[in-house]
Amino acid sequence: DGGITQSPKYLFRKEGQNVTLSCEQNLNHDAMYWYRQDPGQGLRLIYYSQIVNDFQKGDIAEGYSVSREKKESFPLTVTSAQKNPTAFYLCASSIMGLAGLSSYNEQFFGPGTRLTVL
Amino acid sequence: AQSVTQPDIHITVSEGASLELRCNYSYGATPYLFWYVQSPGQGLQLLLKYFSGDTLVQGIKGFEAEFKRSQSSFNLRKPSVHWSDAAEYFCAVGLGSQGNLIFGKGTKLSVKP
Repeated sequence: DGGITQSPKYLFRKEGQNVTLSCEQNLNHDAMYWYRQDPGQGLRLIYYSQIVNDFQKGDIAEGYSVSREKKESFPLTVTSAQKNPTAFYLCASSIMGLAGLSSYNEQFFGPGTRLTVL
Repeated sequence: AQSVTQPDIHITVSEGASLELRCNYSYGATPYLFWYVQSPGQGLQLLLKYFSGDTLVQGIKGFEAEFKRSQSSFNLRKPSVHWSDAAEYFCAVGLGSQGNLIFGKGTKLSVKP
């Protein structure tokens, strides 16, 4: 079955430690995204990548870092610089296709990772 | 700036009653509009999407949405709600060629027996 996997589902870390969240997709999608979800805040974009070896900051990139060395993988590192890292993190992917073609904007989501910093 | 507003934070309806969840957007160009549903602790699942053409869009699980350009709205409807529809619903607008989505803050739906 094609889809997006995120691991682990629950993650606990001590304050001041960096932690990396995994996101893998086997949908052959070009673009991948990381969102942070807090109660009552909806989804806020952290980083996105439209192609391998390239990524852009989203609205709340401070304290986070990413890499995109493979098409299938887009790991997110929550660094100690992130002031309030406890949240639910969602990874998504989509086909980019040619610029302006609307049918490629649909995003498919993974099951999420809940990070708690103690 | 582009934005999506879901005016209702929490809605409670009785099972079997009709449902309408509101969504208003602010976007200069023709919008690409989406409704997603999220069960607690899960990822998001696409219910339906609008790109062009017929302004009444049918989705999965018996949901539909109507695009009204004059009102900048894309409201989600269901004629008869089931207990399994209890979840959080997110409206989103796509930013064209960039592929990014802007999400509303969500509406939590509770269903009374």
